[in-house]
Amino acid sequence: GIQVEQSPPDLILQEGANSTLRCNFSDSVNNLQWFHQNPWGQLINLFYIPSGTKQNGRLSATTVATERYSLLYISSSQTTDSGVYFCAQDGNRDDKIIFGKGTRLHILP
Amino acid sequence: EAGVVQSPRYKIIEKKQPVAFWCNPISGHNTLYWYRQNLGQGPELLIRYENEEAVDDSQLPKDRFSAERLKGVDSTLKIQPAELGDSAVYLCASSLDQTSSGNTIYFGEGSWLTVV
Repeated sequence: GIQVEQSPPDLILQEGANSTLRCNFSDSVNNLQWFHQNPWGQLINLFYIPSGTKQNGRLSATTVATERYSLLYISSSQTTDSGVYFCAQDGNRDDKIIFGKGTRLHILP
Repeated sequence: EAGVVQSPRYKIIEKKQPVAFWCNPISGHNTLYWYRQNLGQGPELLIRYENEEAVDDSQLPKDRFSAERLKGVDSTLKIQPAELGDSAVYLCASSLDQTSSGNTIYFGEGSWLTVV
């Protein structure tokens, strides 16, 4: 089945720093999404990005489908960026969305 | 527009007791999902509905878990009897249509279950 691997598992940064989170996936991507789960458990969709690059404020994401990876960039980190970042994808054969284990990000003031 | 609404937000029960979770998806969303998230892990799909039809329940432990989506809107997830290992966050999500068509999935705040 589809495997989604995220790195690093944990990341601690000072406020203002930039960060890059990586997601590797084992199957051809049909629908890749990035999510942020805040400390209260709410999962918020950040990007739907099966290929190419998208930007939304301080966040941007790039998916290179041919090489089966996606990157999430966070610039000028703020303490509110803390939480867990998940990537999730479903393959071409079904709509079973598979989540990675996440990257836990701590932004220190 | 209201998001995905779940209740209860928190539930503590003794093992072997039943528990039920309720979900109201975003209006007009045909696809509804129930996920389970264990501590330190990503969400895992339990069941997916297209309207009122359960199209993927392969991950649902059918000996103790059941779900229904009457009239293709609200859904309930039931566990009977609960076991200690069922302690987790149960997330409901919805999307306009199948995500393979590029539809974004929206999550509720989750129902946090502790079985003691």
